Amino acid sequence: AQSVAQPEDQVNVAEGNPLTVKCTYSVSGNPYLFWYVQYPNRGLQFLLKYITGDNLVKGSYGFEAEFNKSQTSFHLKKPSALVSDSALYFCAVRDRGGNNRLAFGKGNQVVVIP
Amino acid sequence: EAGVTQFPSHSVIEKGQTVTLRCDPISGHDNLYWYRRVMGKEIKFLLHFVKESKQDESGMPNNRFLAERTGGTYSTLKVQPAELEDSGVYFCASSQLLTGSYEQYFGPGTRLTVT
Repeated sequence: AQSVAQPEDQVNVAEGNPLTVKCTYSVSGNPYLFWYVQYPNRGLQFLLKYITGDNLVKGSYGFEAEFNKSQTSFHLKKPSALVSDSALYFCAVRDRGGNNRLAFGKGNQVVVIP
Repeated sequence: EAGVTQFPSHSVIEKGQTVTLRCDPISGHDNLYWYRRVMGKEIKFLLHFVKESKQDESGMPNNRFLAERTGGTYSTLKVQPAELEDSGVYFCASSQLLTGSYEQYFGPGTRLTVT
């Protein structure tokens, strides 16, 4: 069964500093990987995905993530954090088999300090 | 294009009562999913519809939960009778059936509180 670990409950970063949100996964075979963000009182918003090809994928709002197969990781990064990036971030994985269900991590609360 | 909508946004019910949650997917999306997040934990998959058929209901916790998608458009998730541990946020998501379409689009969720 697929699973995701997001080891840190909260990530604090100063505005303008690089932001990293960590994610490791477990899945049979090669994965499809996703990052979603949830702003207060809003639904989950798709940020980016890794399906195949280049290990570095770019998404919305200046975010990017790097797929590392040997470390089974898919860390989310942003070179310069904004206060408006403060939100809850979820990593998700699905396998390439017949089912479409996503397995999510617990989520990371990101707090960007002005 | 309208996104996934869910109704109600909040529901507070007593243990033993019945609640029905509704999800309207993005128009044209044949895949519809239900997920649930219990406070502070992972978002867990409940089930997946393809049009009106249940493709995967392996995540449904027990037979107190009944999901339907008559006509392949909107879906309902009924909890009867509700228990305290059913409290959480219920998310609905939809996606296209096309090969190459992978991301799921989520609604704002329904926050269910069972007292």
